[in-house]
Amino acid sequence: GQQLNQSPQSMFIQEGEDVSMNCTSSSIFNTWLWYKQEPGEGPVLLIALYKAGELTSNGRLTAQFGITRKDSFLNISASIPSDVGIYFCAGQLTQFYFGTGTSLTVIP
Amino acid sequence: EAEVAQSPRYKITEKSQAVAFWCDPISGHATLYWYRQILGQGPELLVQFQDESVVDDSQLPKDRFSAERLKGVDSTLKIQPAELGDSAMYLCASSQNSRTQYFGPGTRLLVL
Repeated sequence: GQQLNQSPQSMFIQEGEDVSMNCTSSSIFNTWLWYKQEPGEGPVLLIALYKAGELTSNGRLTAQFGITRKDSFLNISASIPSDVGIYFCAGQLTQFYFGTGTSLTVIP
Repeated sequence: EAEVAQSPRYKITEKSQAVAFWCDPISGHATLYWYRQILGQGPELLVQFQDESVVDDSQLPKDRFSAERLKGVDSTLKIQPAELGDSAMYLCASSQNSRTQYFGPGTRLLVL
């Protein structure tokens, strides 16, 4: 299957700090999705991106579809404790392929 | 807000037993997916349905796994016999346009 590399693997930040994470692949994708997953629950869709260069926001979250179509970025501004979780990217060819996740811990 | 429903939420079984998971997608969503997520990893596709037809089951271990969506609405994923390595979270997702997916809460399976 396709390999999507997410970085960083984990982050420990202070409440109020901004967060940046990214997802890269050797393949060109048509769609990028970003999800957040909390322990014991299913992933929750945060942002969907459909065009190269597209920049989309959802509250304090902003994601971008990379120009090369091989990468995507997610930023969280002014982090709060409830942002804690694992963030997954997913890129679509004929099916969706998921990254290995970025674990975010927010220290109050 | 419409959600994907899954049951049971948790299942403990002994190896060699049969288990079944149920999924009810968001109303009107023609595409349904079953994923397996091993702890510490991202979800991996097992099978994709478009209405009642299988679109992709290339990663479904067909010697022990089966999936059906007889009326094109809800779906069942079965494992028989279960093996220790099947312990994982089984996630169902649905989509209206095949470009966005919404996940259910998952079924956590533990095989002893």
